Amino acid sequence: QLQLQESGPGLVKPSETLSLTCTVSGGSISSSSYYWGWIRQPPGKGLEWIGSIYYSGSTYYNPSLKSRVTISVDTSKNQFSLKLSSVTAADTAVYYCARAPIMITFGGVIAHAFDIWGQGTMVTVSS
Amino acid sequence: QSALTQPRSVSGSPGQSVTISCTGTSSDVGGYNYVSWYQQHPGKAPKLMIYDVSKRPSGVPDRFSGSKSGNTASLTISGLQAEDEADYYCCSYAGSYTLEVFGGGTKLTVL
Repeated sequence: QLQLQESGPGLVKPSETLSLTCTVSGGSISSSSYYWGWIRQPPGKGLEWIGSIYYSGSTYYNPSLKSRVTISVDTSKNQFSLKLSSVTAADTAVYYCARAPIMITFGGVIAHAFDIWGQGTMVTVSS
Repeated sequence: QSALTQPRSVSGSPGQSVTISCTGTSSDVGGYNYVSWYQQHPGKAPKLMIYDVSKRPSGVPDRFSGSKSGNTASLTISGLQAEDEADYYCCSYAGSYTLEVFGGGTKLTVL
């Protein structure tokens, strides 16, 4: 069945750029029925949606993070990636990638839910 | 955007029912029927329990049900079992600019 796996450095220095990749196995990232998202969870805190990407490359970002976030997709590798710039200690969190079934409306893309999640990867921002 | 409001904790005894609320605004919960609920055990990834307000994915017990009234969505767990003890998060579509907003989470304790 479909699986997602996050990968990337577990330690990033303040002011640098956090980079993570999510590898999709057991299915194609190029399906028109889904988009692919990043969600994070600071230690002991709740979930925060970071952004999502459609296989075509269309991106959707959390307005509060938009100025620092870039999400990209590589369909040839069945992967999508997250870059978060100018990180601070507040960006320390478990980062999850997830799949969301969607529908496309005149108003835009609507996700039903995040139905399959990766196991998550802890990223610590510290010098 | 502001997170959806959930109670920090709820509790119940085995066999009882509990309801977790998720309050938003007319721009998210009240404006769309795309509320989802997630269960998260310590150290684990969230698991989808309810989507589109009240639909259950395959494999989720029918003890879990969802509903919505106005700007508040609710998750009800009936016949509580020990393994239901976990954190629960709601999430709502919030329009074409904000897209997704999560609740702050609720810790369920099975007494």
